[in-house]
Amino acid sequence: GAGVSQSPSNKVTEKGKDVELRCDPISGHTALYWYRQSLGQGLEFLIYFQGNSAPDKSGLPSDRFSAERTGGSVSTLTIQRTQQEDSAVYLCATSLRGLETQYFGPGTRLLVL
Amino acid sequence: AQKVTQAQTEISVVEKEDVTLDCVYETRDTTYYLFWYKQPPSGELVFLIRRNSFDEQNEISGRYSWNFQKSTSSFNFTITASQVVDSAVYFCALIGTDSWGKLQFGAGTQVVVTP
Repeated sequence: GAGVSQSPSNKVTEKGKDVELRCDPISGHTALYWYRQSLGQGLEFLIYFQGNSAPDKSGLPSDRFSAERTGGSVSTLTIQRTQQEDSAVYLCATSLRGLETQYFGPGTRLLVL
Repeated sequence: AQKVTQAQTEISVVEKEDVTLDCVYETRDTTYYLFWYKQPPSGELVFLIRRNSFDEQNEISGRYSWNFQKSTSSFNFTITASQVVDSAVYFCALIGTDSWGKLQFGAGTQVVVTP
């Protein structure tokens, strides 16, 4: 594909349920990032994958959040036991390598009721 | 620690006016990269421009131009002859070599262009 794709586009869930958000990177991009955009906090870094290196998880807000990247390609962000404050737009971005320009997907809008 | 400040919350202009967006940054890195992204109402963040800290040459690309000044830690962005399609939120962002991968965003500036 030409750009970063994310699924689902929208997700409504009940408090306490688990959700999985998916990101398909631009082909050939070795670096993948997750960000969160919410009204009160702006754009926040969550996690960063670079090739086969251990991911930088320093932005994950709690241990309910986890992410993996399989085969250096597709990534899944999982939120366990969702809370209402998790409601936000979750954005995935990829770049050729770290420090290169990051290209963003359309995001997943998560609403926790 | 890194910080990006966009003091302007919202700017409203009439079509064909020029718009300048301010961005001030803080970083201890000697090598860093600055970006401008646009987020239209559709929500997707669109990359506009990138500048390296060691290249202060200012350029013009179509209706976009930028003014990078290390002495004042500013990276301002100008849209010339604005159009309604320029209505969006514009984000300034920074990556330093000590914070690989982590884009530090400003709060964004909402630009409203009316016909």
